[in-house]
Amino acid sequence: EAQVTQNPRYLITVTGKKLTVTCSQNMNHEYMSWYRQDPGLGLRQIYYSMNVEVTDKGDVPEGYKVSRKEKRNFPLILESPSPNQTSLYFCASGFRTSGTYEQYFGPGTRLTVT
Amino acid sequence: GDSVTQMEGPVTLSEEAFLTINCTYTATGYPSLFWYVQYPGEGLQLLLKATKADDKGSNKGFEATYRKETTSFHLEKGSVQVSDSAVYFCALSDQTGNQFYFGTGTSLTVIP
Repeated sequence: EAQVTQNPRYLITVTGKKLTVTCSQNMNHEYMSWYRQDPGLGLRQIYYSMNVEVTDKGDVPEGYKVSRKEKRNFPLILESPSPNQTSLYFCASGFRTSGTYEQYFGPGTRLTVT
Repeated sequence: GDSVTQMEGPVTLSEEAFLTINCTYTATGYPSLFWYVQYPGEGLQLLLKATKADDKGSNKGFEATYRKETTSFHLEKGSVQVSDSAVYFCALSDQTGNQFYFGTGTSLTVIP
């Protein structure tokens, strides 16, 4: 089954404790991206990657890191999480068509930072 | 910078009513436009898209037309069903096609 998987699905952590949220896709998509969803703000793009070893900042990259060492994986790293990073996070992968990407989203990771 | 504005919700409709969710955008150049749908507890799914002016995207009875003159991409459906209850997001990709901007989402509830 074609899918984007994220782990963990739920995470409660404390301020300053480094964490990684994993994202993996089995559709051989070149494009992958991370978003955060907050009430009243919709989805905001954190980072995206157009291919292995190619990443770029989205609209809200501060406090986050990513890496793309393999095509199928795109982990999101929070080196020193803070309470304002409490949010619902979505990973997506996509294929290029008509000058843009059609994206497939994972099920989401709910992160709480206390 | 680029941005998307969509009508605030929540929207509550009776089954078989006509649906319109307004979406306008600000962008440099020629963005592509999208509607995504999010069912409770799930990730977003692409509903439809349009990549150039005057294109009409359509899927599952939903339609939206890319209007460059009014910078709009309003979502419409002639007859909604209870199963259409979800949150709908308007989005654009910038002129490179690589960076995406989403609206705040509109919650739709359809009652029998």
